[in-house]
Amino acid sequence: EVQLVESGGGLVKPGESLRLSCAASGFPFVNAWMSWVRQPPGKGLEWVGRIKSKTDGATADYAAPVKDRFIISRDDSKNTLYLQMNSLRTEDTALYYCATEYYTFHNNWGQGTLVTVSS
Amino acid sequence: DIQMTQSPSTLSASVGDRVTITCRASQSTNNWLAWYQQKPGKAPKVLIYEASRLETGVPSRFSGSGSGTEFTLTISSLQPDDFATYYCQHYNSYSWTFGQGTRVEIK
Repeated sequence: EVQLVESGGGLVKPGESLRLSCAASGFPFVNAWMSWVRQPPGKGLEWVGRIKSKTDGATADYAAPVKDRFIISRDDSKNTLYLQMNSLRTEDTALYYCATEYYTFHNNWGQGTLVTVSS
Repeated sequence: DIQMTQSPSTLSASVGDRVTITCRASQSTNNWLAWYQQKPGKAPKVLIYEASRLETGVPSRFSGSGSGTEFTLTISSLQPDDFATYYCQHYNSYSWTFGQGTRVEIK
């Protein structure tokens, strides 16, 4: 059974940093392209970014609002995906999901970890 | 960047109704359009991918159609379990864009 378990969320002040983790199991993580998607409280879904598999270069793409502030990485030896979030803003407050990419859609999702940015 | 606009934002319907949700792209797209269902407190679940392909295990009352700039999700006979929020999502090789969502509520 595919499992994605996010962790690392919490309350931080504007300008601070936070690193989220997503522990994966039940599928060959090394081959997977992975995304982060966020959802502000009571609002819609917003794609944050993605990282390709190492075989495909392990390159990352980002949404415009987080580009140059967020960094996605992966540790295939630990089956874990990361999201390093720097220079956090109040508008980054959201539930952050990790999800697997399957060609043109996201087929597996975690349950999310909540990040709150507030002074 | 392509923008995806869903309509309506909220839809009130009764069990048994036929329901249609529309997703319009700001420019002509490939057919890499997916539909998700999300219930309160839960992660999204894919229903339809590549505009019209039904994901395994999804009831056949859900269907998708469209191409270019206009896509639709249809629920042929709304069931109690279908009251939820629905999102379209477009993929273009380097980014993903979601519509703003359509909440289907009980009339």
